[in-house]
Amino acid sequence: AQTVTQSQPEMSVQEAETVTLSCTYDTSENNYYLFWYKQPPSRQMILVIRQEAYKQQNATENRFSVNFQKAAKSFSLKISDSQLGDTAMYFCAFMKHGGDDKIIFGKGTRLHILP
Amino acid sequence: NAGVTQTPKFQVLKTGQSMTLQCAQDMNHNSMYWYRQDPGMGLRLIYYSASEGTTDKGEVPDGYNVSRLKKQNFLLGLESAAPSQTSVYFCASRLSGPATYEQYFGPGTRLTVT
Repeated sequence: AQTVTQSQPEMSVQEAETVTLSCTYDTSENNYYLFWYKQPPSRQMILVIRQEAYKQQNATENRFSVNFQKAAKSFSLKISDSQLGDTAMYFCAFMKHGGDDKIIFGKGTRLHILP
Repeated sequence: NAGVTQTPKFQVLKTGQSMTLQCAQDMNHNSMYWYRQDPGMGLRLIYYSASEGTTDKGEVPDGYNVSRLKKQNFLLGLESAAPSQTSVYFCASRLSGPATYEQYFGPGTRLTVT
């Protein structure tokens, strides 16, 4: 069974700083997808970024980028030039390719951006 | 385009009461999911449905039942509510396929069982 672990329950950084959220996962699969979701105080779940395991290049979306280390089963999220609006819960998630359609979420990291 | 909608947004039940949470999506997605979110526990999958008429158990299915009679609707039932089912419930949908991975989430239902 796949598991997703986020070892940082809570983090705080100053506005404009760079912050990295950690995520590790355990799987015996070779083809899979990884995601980072953001949940602001509004409670709405928003996809931030996704990574296909077969791609060596790390995904990037504006200020958000990932460091995908397949051998180490690590998938960290870097937020550059952090903004107050980045304050949210962040969830790392895993889905295997061509499988049973389940997506497994980590327990989340609560990120506070301080003015 | 409404996306994924959930009704109700809030609900208070007494122990032993029953109710159905409703989820609808207008994106013609194949797969639909029900999660619960508890503090410190992240999102845990209750049930999911890969297609109309099929359902499968997730991580925490006990005390719940589901129904996917129509492609656009996924219903979550609580037959006899318990305080342990106090949670925020999220429905999600996804268009299964080789190039479509993203789950789209509804706004959530906050359920309190007293």
